[in-house]
Amino acid sequence: DADVTQTPRNRITKTGKRIMLECSQTKGHDRMYWYRQDPGLGLRLIYYSFDVKDINKGEISDGYSVSRQAQAKFSLSLESAIPNQTALYFCATSDTGFSGANVLTFGAGSRLTVL
Amino acid sequence: RKEVEQDPGPFNVPEGATVAFNCTYSNSASQSFFWYRQDCRKEPKLLMSVYSSGNEDGRFTAQLNRASQYISLLIRDSKLSDSATYLCVVTHGGSQGNLIFGKGTKLSVKP
Repeated sequence: DADVTQTPRNRITKTGKRIMLECSQTKGHDRMYWYRQDPGLGLRLIYYSFDVKDINKGEISDGYSVSRQAQAKFSLSLESAIPNQTALYFCATSDTGFSGANVLTFGAGSRLTVL
Repeated sequence: RKEVEQDPGPFNVPEGATVAFNCTYSNSASQSFFWYRQDCRKEPKLLMSVYSSGNEDGRFTAQLNRASQYISLLIRDSKLSDSATYLCVVTHGGSQGNLIFGKGTKLSVKP
């Protein structure tokens, strides 16, 4: 099994629908992240969490919310999806400490299409 | 100026060639630097960290120039399997775990 598992891997939805992307990890890492990747724009941070009680906005949090249900689970929600949220979404984890905190382990990605 | 800038490429090189990528970053407070590799339709994976003194891992050499705020990656004896997008990554100032990704440089190694 993968260290970081994302579900669903692919989703097509319509404008206005609520969508949840889920992420679970077996790395035992405290830190979890959600990124989106768009062609030509690279990876951009949406939200991150340094422990179960800690949630922080990233560069592009508008239109998204997150929930850290447990150390191993971090979900991303789009309350009312819009077409410009069509993208490839990655969950990632990292350890703590000076060196470990900057080494990200990514999930395989969730490709979301909003029509 | 964007925080992390890379030439998007593509770099098309023959097998066995040596190829170098550069990356510039804007925040002089950034403390940690990395190269990640991303294969087509796959997740990014850490290739190597970049240390101040420069570091080598097999055919890959990374260099950091703090004064000029750029990072380089040199690949010697290119293999077909090196074809991928290479992402330059820096920490956001001194923040741990807050990484800024470049848009990536695409490398295509041809037979």
